Amino acid sequence: AQSVTQPDARVTVSEGASLQLRCKYSYSATPYLFWYVQYPRQGLQLLLKYYSGDPVVQGVNSFEAEFSKSNSSFHLQKASVHWSDSAVYFCALTSMSNYNVLYFGSGTKLTVEP
Amino acid sequence: GGIITQTPKFLIGQEGQKLTLKCQQNFNHDTMYWYRQDSGKGLRLIYYSITENDLQKGDLSEGYDASREKKSSFSLTVTSAQKNEMAVFLCASSSTNERLFFGHGTKLSVL
Repeated sequence: AQSVTQPDARVTVSEGASLQLRCKYSYSATPYLFWYVQYPRQGLQLLLKYYSGDPVVQGVNSFEAEFSKSNSSFHLQKASVHWSDSAVYFCALTSMSNYNVLYFGSGTKLTVEP
Repeated sequence: GGIITQTPKFLIGQEGQKLTLKCQQNFNHDTMYWYRQDSGKGLRLIYYSITENDLQKGDLSEGYDASREKKSSFSLTVTSAQKNEMAVFLCASSSTNERLFFGHGTKLSVL
């Protein structure tokens, strides 16, 4: 069975600071990994995805994530956050064997303070 | 671009009531999904459908029915609303597993 854990329910950072949102996954084979973002009063939107190859993937709005097979992790990072980055971030996983089904973590609510 | 429209935006029901949520997409996507979003629990899959008239159960299908009579629409029925239940139901669609497009959600409250 596969699962995704986001250990931090809430994260608060100051504008301009760097950011890391943590994601750990559990899956015996190679996963496909995603980060989605949910801005207030909007639907979830894809931020970035990882299938294979370079473990560091770039996404929209200068976000990037690093896949680590040894740590079973896919942490999201940004060098300098803006107040508009305040949102809920979800890590998700799917597999080759059942690629129609996405398993989501519980989400991390990011608040960027001025 | 396309859009996913969920109706209604807000749904208030009574305990034991059967409630239906609707979802329309104009992306011409094959696969559609219903997820339930509870605070602190993330999104959990209720049902999905890979084509018209197909239904696949997710981890949370008990207590729900779904219907995909047309490629563009996917409805979800809460068969018997539970008292004090409160959740947001999200509809999504995709053409491949690469990217899901989500609606804005239907917020359910049961009195």
